[in-house]
Amino acid sequence: QVQLVESGGGVVQPGRSLKLSCAASGFTFSNYGMHWVRQAPGKGLEWVAVIWYDGSNPNYVDSVKGRFTISRDNSKNTLHLQMDSLRAEDTAVYYCATFRGGYYSYWGQGTLVTVSS
Amino acid sequence: QSVLTQPPSVSGAPGQRVSISCTGSSSNLGTAYDVHWYQHLPGSAPKLLIYGNNNRPSGVPDRFSASKSGTSASLAISGLQAEDEGDYYCQSYDIRLRGVVFGGGTKLTVV
Repeated sequence: QVQLVESGGGVVQPGRSLKLSCAASGFTFSNYGMHWVRQAPGKGLEWVAVIWYDGSNPNYVDSVKGRFTISRDNSKNTLHLQMDSLRAEDTAVYYCATFRGGYYSYWGQGTLVTVSS
Repeated sequence: QSVLTQPPSVSGAPGQRVSISCTGSSSNLGTAYDVHWYQHLPGSAPKLLIYGNNNRPSGVPDRFSASKSGTSASLAISGLQAEDEGDYYCQSYDIRLRGVVFGGGTKLTVV
């Protein structure tokens, strides 16, 4: 069955970097656009970044542009999110999710990123 | 402040029917882009509940239904069960923001 497993979260100081990964299995990874979606404590879901099925057209929510970089390795069925210059407001659970047809068919369990000194 | 507006909470007794609204604007729900709904239960990953305005993925009970009209959409849950307790989110695309947008989420309590 479809599995998305995020990793790489943790506690990091403001201004530092962290790289999240999402390991995909159970479906043809290279056929799907992939997104990162986050949920800050006590808040709702927020779209963070997108990358097309072939690795093209990365795009980001304005609040992370220039700081976050989404990438994928279709040969390894893996999605990444490089997060630089982290801020307290980036504290959230980060989910990777498949995207096709305008919606998210599958989600991972999420990985918690805490930005704190 | 989410682009799509949902009530913060709704509640109902077991067996009852509840409805969750999702209000947008001419740049999202008022376009040809569909609205989709997700269920987020405590300790679980979000789950696709409704796609394409009113379609249920395989495995989602027909107790869940949804509709869209103009710049609004709604999710209805009939025959409420205790396991339905959790958060529900609407989602669409905004042509002005050029990105995916979510509602703020609605917490469903089965009393």
